[in-house]
Amino acid sequence: RKEVEQDPGPFNVPEGATVAFNCTYSNSASQSFFWYRQDCRKEPKLLMSVYSSGNEDGRFTAQLNRASQYISLLIRDSKLSDSATYLCVSHSGAGSYQLTFGKGTKLSVIP
Amino acid sequence: EAGVTQFPSHSVIEKGQTVTLRCDPISGHDNLYWYRRVMGKEIKFLLHFVKESKQDESGMPNNRFLAERTGGTYSTLKVQPAELEDSGVYFCASSQVGTGVEAFFGQGTRLTVV
Repeated sequence: RKEVEQDPGPFNVPEGATVAFNCTYSNSASQSFFWYRQDCRKEPKLLMSVYSSGNEDGRFTAQLNRASQYISLLIRDSKLSDSATYLCVSHSGAGSYQLTFGKGTKLSVIP
Repeated sequence: EAGVTQFPSHSVIEKGQTVTLRCDPISGHDNLYWYRRVMGKEIKFLLHFVKESKQDESGMPNNRFLAERTGGTYSTLKVQPAELEDSGVYFCASSQVGTGVEAFFGQGTRLTVV
C-alpha cells in the first residue's frame, strides 16, 4: 500500500464549479500535511499547509481527519488557471524532514 | 528574490556516463533537499542537507549517487555511472531552519539516460 494515495483523475470540471480531492495516508504518525500544485513540466509549488484540523485560504479549503487518515482539498468557484496536478504530501515528523508525496490528482477546468 | 535554481534543465547522456546536477537554494536557506520523480511514479525523497552536513540520505538509491554541498551553499548531485533507470526529473528544494518542512522547489533537471 502506498504511503499517500490519491485518485489520479483527471477531474474535468466547468468554470465556477466546486471540486474536492481526497487523499489518504497510511502512516498514522504523520504530523503535518501539505497540498502542492504542479503545472505541466514545472516544479511543485506549495498551495496550503495543514497542521491541525484544517486551513482555508480564499477559494481553497483543506481539511484533515486524523481518525480516518485522510486529507481533502476543496476548490470553490474554479478558474481556468486552477488547471494543474494537485499533490498531497505528508510529513512524518520524528526528526526527519522527508516529505512523502502522492502521485497527484489532475484537474482540468473547462470554459 | 531568486527562487531555487537548478542546472541543467535537461540532460541526455548515454548509459555508463557521468552527469552532475547543480542546485542553488534560496539565499539563507540552510535546509536543502534532493527529490526525484521517475516516470509514472510519485516524487521521492533522496536526501537532506543542513548547511554542508548530510542530515538524512536514506532515500539515495545506491552508491552510484553522490551528493555534496561544500560550503553550505549550492549542492551537486553526481550520478556515476548512469543507468537507464536513473532517468527522471530531479528536483532540488530548500527551506529555512525554523519553518519546518515547507519547502520551495526548483524547476528540476530532466535526466534521460539512453
